[in-house]
Amino acid sequence: GAGVSQTPSNKVTEKGKYVELRCDPISGHTALYWYRQSLGQGPEFLIYFQGTGAADDSGLPNDRFFAVRPEGSVSTLKIQRTERGDSAVYLCASSLRVAGYNEQFFGPGTRLTVL
Amino acid sequence: DQQVKQNSPSLSVQEGRISILNCDYTNSMFDYFLWYKKYPAEGPTFLISISSIKDKNEDGRFTVFLNKSAKHLSLHIVPSQPGDSAVYFCAASALTSGSRLTFGEGTQLTVNP
Repeated sequence: GAGVSQTPSNKVTEKGKYVELRCDPISGHTALYWYRQSLGQGPEFLIYFQGTGAADDSGLPNDRFFAVRPEGSVSTLKIQRTERGDSAVYLCASSLRVAGYNEQFFGPGTRLTVL
Repeated sequence: DQQVKQNSPSLSVQEGRISILNCDYTNSMFDYFLWYKKYPAEGPTFLISISSIKDKNEDGRFTVFLNKSAKHLSLHIVPSQPGDSAVYFCAASALTSGSRLTFGEGTQLTVNP
């Protein structure tokens, strides 16, 4: 079956612009996570969804970042007024559920470059 | 604060030998630990995990050891193969935080033929 997919694979934008990054989780997975990986670092948690609701958004760095998952499947990470420091690989992961311990399956990521 | 640390940014071993990757953590609430492997331009791939109620978990060539008192875990790969060359991330999770993962910085493993 299909794994987690993310589009676009690469996004180059100018400082101050708005961007949207999309994640298609594995079918049937109710939990969805967003992480951000900067160069030379491990992924850092941003937000996770259980179904349609954001169960924990404590990792979002500031109010320029927002994510939605309106139908409990596809999720979009939205970044307003992008800054050069937002440049990173944005990773999405999904798992069967949030409760208990479940393997998270990662997508290939979207590489965002803010010029 | 870095709650999960991998102090070795890189490790080089000969094919057939053992690779040992180390990870330390500071948060005593962590009760589940995972290792992920990452190739360039791909997302991390789950390798092996261990619950805090165990001190060892084995899956084929991969074994993870957990020392709770020292807040230390390690991944052993034996025998190492050139295809194991990748970045390895240690990650930790706490049941109270909804399975969000806290990752270390990663260790680049190179297995030489």
